Amino acid sequence: GENVEQHPSTLSVQEGDSAVIKCTYSDSASNYFPWYKQELGKRPQLIIDIRSNVGEKKDQRIAVTLNKTAKHFSLHITETQPEDSAVYFCAATPLNNDMRFGAGTRLTVKP
Amino acid sequence: SAVISQKPSRDICQRGTSLTIQCQVDSQVTMMFWYRQQPGQSLTLIATANQGSEATYESGFVIDKFPISRPNLTFSTLTVSNMSPEDSSIYLCSVEVAGYGYTFGSGTRLTVV
Repeated sequence: GENVEQHPSTLSVQEGDSAVIKCTYSDSASNYFPWYKQELGKRPQLIIDIRSNVGEKKDQRIAVTLNKTAKHFSLHITETQPEDSAVYFCAATPLNNDMRFGAGTRLTVKP
Repeated sequence: SAVISQKPSRDICQRGTSLTIQCQVDSQVTMMFWYRQQPGQSLTLIATANQGSEATYESGFVIDKFPISRPNLTFSTLTVSNMSPEDSSIYLCSVEVAGYGYTFGSGTRLTVV
């Protein structure tokens, strides 16, 4: 089955700096890679996703890159703001199947 | 995107009892997924619930402990049976909606005392 590893487990940045979170996956059949943001006491919220036929996707300050050959994908947040502070989870799945999650990254943005 | 109503939102239960969690989706979906999130941890898949067939359980989860029902394409229940304090977690249901990805219910925060 799929195994997703995520690094770092914690990340602290100064407001305005960039943050990068990296994930690797094991199952070459996986073709959908979402990223979720979870604030304390709330459900995970999808913030961006990428499919295997695309190498990069951007949505305002958030971008995701995918390297299928190396089986890794990354989340990039630019111009970080205190409200970006949360736990971020990556996941991988063949679509129409269950998602496997990374262990999570606790991001703290210091004002 | 799909809207999932999950209830109860939280409960405090006595050990040895059972709790049934419900998820109602506002559209028909083929598969529903049940996850557990222990305090400070990631999400772990419990089982996949398909309408018209038995749920598929992940390693470490068994039907006797976590029976699941899926009577139609918009509804599913997860029961946590014979609870112990180790079952204290957040339980979430999730569905995939074509074109929108996977979305989660609001979660059920279970505390077993």
